[in-house]
Order: sequence, then C-alpha cells, then structure tokens
Amino acid sequence: GENVEQHPSTLSVQEGDSAVIKCTYSDSASNYFPWYKQELGKGPQLIIDIRSNVGEKKDQRIAVTLNKTAKHFSLHITETQPEDSAVYFCAASMFQGAQKLVFGQGTRLTINP
Amino acid sequence: DAMVIQNPRYQVTQFGKPVTLSCSQTLNHNVMYWYQQKSSQAPKLLFHYYDKDFNNEADTPDNFQSRRPNTSFCFLDIRSPGLGDAAMYLCATSRIHDNQPQHFGDGTRLSIL
Repeated sequence: GENVEQHPSTLSVQEGDSAVIKCTYSDSASNYFPWYKQELGKGPQLIIDIRSNVGEKKDQRIAVTLNKTAKHFSLHITETQPEDSAVYFCAASMFQGAQKLVFGQGTRLTINP
Repeated sequence: DAMVIQNPRYQVTQFGKPVTLSCSQTLNHNVMYWYQQKSSQAPKLLFHYYDKDFNNEADTPDNFQSRRPNTSFCFLDIRSPGLGDAAMYLCATSRIHDNQPQHFGDGTRLSIL
C-alpha cells in the first residue's frame, strides 16, 4: 500500500520568511496530493491540493510543487505570518471514487514574531 | 455554518463500555469517512461509506463498527473500548461525481477511564 514520508517534523521560521515542507510517496498510482492545516483542537482544513497532471499550483502565499518521476511533492508558504503556525499534513491517494487518504506524519510549523 | 458536525466534541467512557460517536453533514456528499488520530500522529483511515456501501480498512480492529442510516448521518460504534482507543476521531465527507476534496469535522476526543 501507499506510504507517505514527511519532513521536517518541526519547523521554526521568522515571520516574513518562507517555509518549505517536503513529502515523498511510494505508490506511483497515487494521483491526488492534498495539504491540510490542523490547528489545536480542530479538524484538518484543506489549504491546497494538486493532481498528478499538474506540476505546480499556487494560491496567494501558498504553492505546491509535484515531481511525479521522483515521487515527491512540497508545500511552500511565503511571507509567513503568526497565524500560519499549526500542524501541516501532506497526503496521497487515488482520486478515483472514494479518496483513501494516506497522511504523512505531520510538520509542526512555528512562526516567530 | 459548519458543514461536517461531530457530536460530542469530548466523550469520556469507561474501559469496556460501548460508546457511539456521531457525525452529520449538510453537504449532501455521498462518501463519509472515519479516521482515528492519536496524539501527535497523523489521521488513520478506519473505514468509509460510499452511499450505503461499507468499506473497511484491512487493519481496522473488529471492535470498531459503523452505521450510516441516511445520507446525512454516520455513526462510529466502539463495542468494548480499551485504553489504546483513546484518540481524536475525525469524520470527513467527499463527493465523487465532481472530484471534490474531503471536508473534515472538528473531531470528537475520546477518553477512556
């Protein structure tokens, strides 16, 4: 089955700097890669997603890149703000029917004012 | 305007005493999922319903059952909770026909005494 590795497990950056979180996946059949942000006591919230027919997607300060050959994808957050502090999870699945998401281990991002 | 609603937010039960967690949705999505998330870990899929069809993950313990009486509601039943079942339980929904991403509720935190 699918296995997703996520790094780093913790990340601390200064406000205004950029943050990058990386994930690798094992199943070449996976074709859907969402990123979720989870704040304390809340459920995961989708922040951006990408499908395997696209190499890069951007939404304001957030971007995701996908390298299908190497089976890795990354989340980029620019101009970080204190409200970006949270745990971020990458995931992979087949986008066909039900989405059986396999999550990475999570990255605790801290933005220092 | 919460779209995936989980009740209760916090549940305490005794070791071995059956417990039921509930999830409702206003999105009219045809797939509903249950995930288990232990402290500082990633969510792990337990099972999902595609309409009325139940799909169990291979490694989900028999202690966990689910019911979906209609499109809007889904229940997670834990028949004989053990200390290792203490976790956050997350419900999520998705719609297959237009490839929408999963939407998560804020979870129920289950404690076992």
